[in-house]
Parts: sequence; C-alpha cells; structure tokens
Amino acid sequence: GENVEQHPSTLSVQEGDSAVIKCTYSDSASNYFPWYKQELGKGPQLIIDIRSNVGEKKDQRIAVTLNKTAKHFSLHITETQPEDSAVYFCAVAGNQFYFGTGTSLTVIP
Amino acid sequence: NAGVTQTPKFRVLKTGQSMTLLCAQDMNHEYMYWYRQDPGMGLRLIHYSVGEGTTAKGEVPDGYNVSRLKKQNFLLGLESAAPSQTSVYFCASSYAGRTSYEQYFGPGTRLTVT
Repeated sequence: GENVEQHPSTLSVQEGDSAVIKCTYSDSASNYFPWYKQELGKGPQLIIDIRSNVGEKKDQRIAVTLNKTAKHFSLHITETQPEDSAVYFCAVAGNQFYFGTGTSLTVIP
Repeated sequence: NAGVTQTPKFRVLKTGQSMTLLCAQDMNHEYMYWYRQDPGMGLRLIHYSVGEGTTAKGEVPDGYNVSRLKKQNFLLGLESAAPSQTSVYFCASSYAGRTSYEQYFGPGTRLTVT
C-alpha cells in the first residue's frame, strides 16, 4: 500500500508566525491530496485539498503546494491564530485513502 | 442536517464480548467508511462501502465485519473484542468517487477493551 510520512509530529509557533507541515508519499499513481484539521474530541474536517494536475492552491491564510516529481506536498498556514491550534493530517488518495500520522500544532498567544 | 452521526460515543467491553457501532448520514452520500485512530498512527481504513449492499476491505480489516443494508447506515461489528481493538473509531461518508471527494467525518466512538 501507500506509505505516507508526515513531519513534524509537533509544532509550536508564536501567534502571527507561519507554520509549515510536510508530507511525502510513495505511490506515483496517487492523485488527490487533502488536509484535515482535527480539534480535540471531534472528527477530522477538511480544510484544503489539491489534485495532481495542480501545483498550488490557496484559501485565505491556508495554502497547499504539491511537487509530484518529488512526491511531497505541504500545508502552509500564515498569520497563525490561537484557534489554529489542532492536529493536522495529510492524506493521499489513489485506490484508497491513506492518512499521515498527524502534526499537533500549538499557536502561542 | 445532522451530517454524520455515530452511536455510541463511548463503550467499554470485556475481551471476547461483541458489539456493533452504528453510523448514519443524512447527506445522501454513496460512499461510507470506517476508520480507527490510534496514537501516533493517524487514521487507518478498516472497511468501506461504495453503495447499499456492498462492502470492501481496507487497510486493517481483520477482526471486524461491516454491513450496509441501507444507504444512510453503515454498521461496524466486533464479534469477539480484543484489547488490540481499543481505539477511537470514526465513520465518514462522501459522494461517489471515493478518492476525489471530501470525506465528512462523524464525532467518533471511543472504545476500550479490557
């Protein structure tokens, strides 16, 4: 199956700074790359996604970049706010969904 | 709309007991999924369904069975619970085309097997 690696596992940033989370994958046939945010005690919620024919996508303070050649994609959060504190998961989809192991982001006020 | 709901929210089982987790969605989604979430391991797909009456195995199907008798419901069964099945279970649903559409997750069921 697919091998998805996510780094870092924990990340602390000062409010207003940027946060970057990176994922790598192994199956070159994968074609859909979503990012999910999970708050404590809740299920994951999609925050942004990108398809294999696009290199970058942006939605306000959140952006995702994809490098298909290198098989990695990254989540960028700018101007971080305390409410951005959560666990973030990347996922890779080909025949099935495979999730990364998660990044616990803490935004320090 | 309630979205995706899961019953129960918490459960404690003894080794060898059986139970069924119920997932319901009111978005008329074709696809439904069951995941387990363990510390440091992200979410792993147990079983999924691409439509009423159909099911398929995911990444970690052993020890679980599923049924999709109605489009809006997806049941996950544990016939003989083991401590290794202690986990948080999430149900999700999506429109047709499981690898191309957003998955909507339920709030989770925390299961402890002693």
